[in-house]
Order: sequence, then C-alpha cells, then structure tokens
Amino acid sequence: EAGVAQSPRYKIIEKRQSVAFWCNPISGHATLYWYQQILGQGPKLLIQFQNNGVVDDSQLPKDRFSAERLKGVDSTLKIQPAKLEDSAVYLCASSAPGTGTTGELFFGEGSRLTVL
Amino acid sequence: QQQVKQSPQSLIVQKGGISIINCAYENTAFDYFPWYQQFPGKGPALLIAIRPDVSEKKEGRFTISFNKSAKQFSLHIMDSQPGDSATYFCAASMNTGNQFYFGTGTSLTVIP
Repeated sequence: EAGVAQSPRYKIIEKRQSVAFWCNPISGHATLYWYQQILGQGPKLLIQFQNNGVVDDSQLPKDRFSAERLKGVDSTLKIQPAKLEDSAVYLCASSAPGTGTTGELFFGEGSRLTVL
Repeated sequence: QQQVKQSPQSLIVQKGGISIINCAYENTAFDYFPWYQQFPGKGPALLIAIRPDVSEKKEGRFTISFNKSAKQFSLHIMDSQPGDSATYFCAASMNTGNQFYFGTGTSLTVIP
C-alpha cells in the first residue's frame, strides 16, 4: 500500500514570497490533515479536511495560509506571503473512514520550508 | 494552550536500559492516546496506542501505562536499543472530530 506522498521535500524561499505544498493521501482515506512542525516542537494542526469539507481550521493563519482539497483526494497548502517564522516542516497525514475509533494517522515524510 | 504536556525533553539511556517518557493531559474527553516515533527526515509513525478502559498495553518491548485518575500516561521502552534513538511524541484525541493534540516530543538517544 502506497503511503502519503508529499512534495516538494525541501523548499527555500525569501520572505514575502509564496510557496505551495502538495499532498496525496493514502487511497480511500477520507480525512486529511496538514500539520506544522517547528524544529524541536510537536506537530501543530493547521487544517483538517473530511472529504472536501473543512472540519477544523481554527489554527490556520488565514491572512497568509490557504488550503484546499479538490475532489476529496489531493490537497494543496499555500503560504503567501511567507514570513521567517513559517520556517518549519509541513506534514500531511491521512486517516481512513471509520478510524475515529482507532485514530491512526498516517504521515507523509513532510515538506521542509526555509524562509530567508 | 498546550493540551498535552510531555517530559522529559531529552533522554539518554544506555543500551539495555529502560526508557520512560511521561505525558499529562487535562481534557477528560480524550479517549485515545497514541505514541508516535519519528526518525530524522521522516514523518511520525504510530508506535503503540491505548484507550482509557485499560491501564496498560504492551507490544514487544514497548508498554503504555495509563492512569486515568491522574490524567497521565507513559511510554516504557524495555531493553532499549540504539535503533530506538528517535523523537517520541505522545498525543491525545477525541473520537468526535478525530482531532489529535501532540506533546512537544522527547529526543531519545540510546548509547551502545
């Protein structure tokens, strides 16, 4: 079974530039998450999708971050304009329908963003 | 607001020793407590998980101890091996909403 795919793995940009990250979840997984992991910290939820709909985006800085999940499959996270404090690893995770009871998240390897 | 508090931040253990990582939570609505293992450059991967209806769960060398009244749970790694060197995150979630809250992580180093 293929895992969660993310790209690009690494991205270096200057502040005020824009960047986009892509995620392809495990086939059939209805729930998709974007997490931000700053060096030395635990993952922080940015946004959670259930199929096409947003379940939770309360911690997404909406003035600069946006995310979409087209057709309930792939997802894109965009940052525009980027700030220095956005330097982090952006993790995508997915979980299968009905795993609200098991709760297993499957993570991708992450996209490391460096903002100069 | 940190929903899950984790300690220690870092841990160094000799090969063959026992590694213990602790977590505490406040929200009694949490009903699922997983531990994730993360190697450098990789995403976190589920290691072991427990629900509050049991006080202990063991899988191989890994054991979760759960104290519902104290709202604490811990990961014990028996016979620690150099290959266990990684960052460990505890987490908590509620069935409703399927949202996960992660601890700040513990960097474990097992010395040969």
